[in-house]
Amino acid sequence: RKEVEQDPGPFNVPEGATVAFNCTYSNSASQSFFWYRQDCRKEPKLLMSVYSSGNEDGRFTAQLNRASQYISLLIRDSKLSDSATYLCVVNIGSGNAGNMLTFGGGTRLMVKP
Amino acid sequence: NAGVTQTPKFRVLKTGQSMTLLCAQDMNHEYMYWYRQDPGMGLRLIHYSVGEGTTAKGEVPDGYNVSRLKKQNFLLGLESAAPSQTSVYFCASRQGMGGQPQHFGDGTRLSIL
Repeated sequence: RKEVEQDPGPFNVPEGATVAFNCTYSNSASQSFFWYRQDCRKEPKLLMSVYSSGNEDGRFTAQLNRASQYISLLIRDSKLSDSATYLCVVNIGSGNAGNMLTFGGGTRLMVKP
Repeated sequence: NAGVTQTPKFRVLKTGQSMTLLCAQDMNHEYMYWYRQDPGMGLRLIHYSVGEGTTAKGEVPDGYNVSRLKKQNFLLGLESAAPSQTSVYFCASRQGMGGQPQHFGDGTRLSIL
């Protein structure tokens, strides 16, 4: 089982739609969580950190469910410019493994006019 | 506002040639990372460093060497390039352990003929 799993998609949605992605992680000791966005042939860029209480940044809402070991990303009022691959990222936060962030394979989103 | 800078941006090599990729960060980050990303695939960690003078192997270290002689620089070397090393290489840096995200350079596209 992969440490961080995501549905690769693609998710094809019309402009203005609401779309949600989930990501599951296998290590219950994980402490830090992030969502990154990666455009085609570009570097990953931090979209938002995910906090225990959940957090929102404009049209984007991130949630953490420690009991079920998943995080989610909700995008409201999708824009064409939201088309990208969204990477779920997890860090254990201690020991040797805590030196690294573990990346999921990404979920591809395509927003259509 | 440079952040993480990778040099060169593009390179074409012949099988057996050697080269060094340079990553420089101006954020005084302790941790630095080298990843490769192949078409349609996720990021794979090659090597990383948790401080000046230290390096450690990641998921796919074979065929690569690294050095971190200065805190701001992390070098990735290919001693004898092989076609299987054709990829996009991303460098990233991070403040340290804990809830800190990674910041990526914009990548080096390497083709080995």
